[in-house]
Amino acid sequence: DTGVSQDPRHKITKRGQNVTFRCDPISEHNRLYWYRQTLGQGPEFLTYFQNEAQLEKSRLLSDRFSAERPKGSFSTLEIQRTEQGDSAMYLCASSFDTVLGGGYTFGSGTRLTVV
Amino acid sequence: GESVGLHLPTLSVQEGDNSIINCAYSNSASDYFIWYKQESGKGPQFIIDIRSNMDKRQGQRVTVLLNKTVKHLSLQIAATQPGDSAVYFCAERSQGAGGTSYGKLTFGQGTILTVHP
Repeated sequence: DTGVSQDPRHKITKRGQNVTFRCDPISEHNRLYWYRQTLGQGPEFLTYFQNEAQLEKSRLLSDRFSAERPKGSFSTLEIQRTEQGDSAMYLCASSFDTVLGGGYTFGSGTRLTVV
Repeated sequence: GESVGLHLPTLSVQEGDNSIINCAYSNSASDYFIWYKQESGKGPQFIIDIRSNMDKRQGQRVTVLLNKTVKHLSLQIAATQPGDSAVYFCAERSQGAGGTSYGKLTFGQGTILTVHP
């Protein structure tokens, strides 16, 4: 297993366009998380899944954002009608669902630039 | 509300020195803490974690200390190397009702560590 994979690494889009990002988690992990990170800030939680169920969504996740994990494996994050304020690094992470912890493994992220 | 903050936004050290990065948290319900290292253009990389029933945990060249009385977390890096230069984040997870995890991590702003040869 090569860890958490995200695609694409970079995306430049015009304002108003739709974009979709993909995340492939570590195969043994049943939890998958999406975060957004802007320059100089720590990652901000957007949403997470346990298997195919979306268990929590942040207030940051406006109606233009939608995430899916249809088969409990890979996930997609779609942003509709992109705005310049959506420019950020979108990070995906995965973990086991144990209260014992065990770390959350992050991917390298997708950097979105809205022009 | 939940928040995690850092005392020092930047830290410069000489190669070979020990580094200490501090973090304050406000949610007493947090049960699990992680330190991450993030290099430019990369995702956060797990360094070390600690559960709330511990006050110290050691790894290779790194030690995390947890003081629940004052809600303070620190990361100590021994014999700091130029390759340690990065942004360091602490993150907390809060225990959910009934012993279940909320799942999400809350991150602080980060500390930029620069190691001079």
